[in-house]
Amino acid sequence: QKEVEQDPGPLSVPEGAIVSLNCTYSNSAFQYFMWYRQYSRKGPELLMYTYSSGNKEDGRFTAQVDKSSKYISLFIRDSQPSDSATYLCAMTVMDTGRRALTFGSGTRLQVQP
Amino acid sequence: EADIYQTPRYLVIGTGKKITLECSQTMGHDKMYWYQQDPGMELHLIHYSYGVNSTEKGDLSSESTVSRIRTEHFPLTLESARPSHTSQYLCASRQGAGGYTFGSGTRLTVV
Repeated sequence: QKEVEQDPGPLSVPEGAIVSLNCTYSNSAFQYFMWYRQYSRKGPELLMYTYSSGNKEDGRFTAQVDKSSKYISLFIRDSQPSDSATYLCAMTVMDTGRRALTFGSGTRLQVQP
Repeated sequence: EADIYQTPRYLVIGTGKKITLECSQTMGHDKMYWYQQDPGMELHLIHYSYGVNSTEKGDLSSESTVSRIRTEHFPLTLESARPSHTSQYLCASRQGAGGYTFGSGTRLTVV
């Protein structure tokens, strides 16, 4: 069983929709949670970073962490065609950063104009 | 403007050739990583480094090697390229427990 599970999609939504992207994990030691966005033929870029349960908001993006359920989500409000990309969740344990991130397999999102 | 640079962006090379993929970062990050990513697939860690003269193998068995002689430079070398090495190679760096900064990747095709 993988440590991090992520629905690969693809997920197709109309412009303006609210998008929900999700990951589940099995390692209760994970404390830092991240969401990356990857456009085609580019490297991933960091979107959101959180280390506690609850919600963190940044513009149209909200990251949600539920450690009791080992479940994290990324919500995108008022989705735009420019949001079309692959979204990867990533997580790691609470340490000095010596352990590498564990990534989900990514969800491909297509926002239709 | 990117703070982590990978060259070349695209490379097509014949079987058996030796190749080096370059990665440099200007942020002074201590930790650097190499990942392999096939289209639509997850990232697989192949090598990482915690600092100068420190290198470790990752989860994915790899026939590549790395070196970390300078903080800013973390090249990946394939001694003898094979078609099974065809993939995208992503370099990343990190300071402390923060998130990664990724390069744009090198797309390698071995024919």
